[in-house]
Amino acid sequence: DAGITQSPRHKVTETGTPVTLRCHQTENHRYMYWYRQDPGHGLRLIHYSYGVKDTDKGEVSDGYSVSRSKTEDFLLTLESATSSQTSVYFCAISESIPLAGNTIYFGEGSWLTVV
Amino acid sequence: EDQVTQSPEALRLQEGESSSLNCSYTVSGLRGLFWYRQDPGKGPEFLFTLYSAGEEKEKERLKATLTKKESFLHITAPKPEDSATYLCAVQGPTGTASKLTFGTGTRLQVTL
Repeated sequence: DAGITQSPRHKVTETGTPVTLRCHQTENHRYMYWYRQDPGHGLRLIHYSYGVKDTDKGEVSDGYSVSRSKTEDFLLTLESATSSQTSVYFCAISESIPLAGNTIYFGEGSWLTVV
Repeated sequence: EDQVTQSPEALRLQEGESSSLNCSYTVSGLRGLFWYRQDPGKGPEFLFTLYSAGEEKEKERLKATLTKKESFLHITAPKPEDSATYLCAVQGPTGTASKLTFGTGTRLQVTL
């Protein structure tokens, strides 16, 4: 298994509160990603990072921010949580872009409920 | 915009009953097609990457094939432990982005 740890694994929070999800990797991979998974939708990319302090938006980035101050850690922040952000969040890593054998490996997920 | 459609949404097989899952895609310049397995409450687990039409890859009872418009995941003589959701994803010709477009998956149940 790829060395990816997500925390917290489960969280219930109130609308309007800030929430930070953490992803920690032990593989020293350059790329890190945050996806969300919802019924009826495939996994959708929120943000990704291609190096320390280098991040970019994915297809569903509104309401989310990220930071990467160390190679091993990638944080996802919901500045003011809304019910539409209730979802399962997956962190993923890859050594490089997913070509020529560079695979994206996923963590175990963080279940977030916004009430 | 890249699109991935998986069918069927759900499939129930008896142990030993072979079948195929379909992944149809629309992408302007495929760079890779990926298959993942996802168990309930877990993250997706990588199975295969296919890069060009005609390519095939095998792993135990699973075999993935690729054409210019679709990919198939063939399951030969499945066992109950093959029960999972199988996800397909494609990567198009983006620049620095490592964006995969995922389908919604096929939920496979294998019964005794």
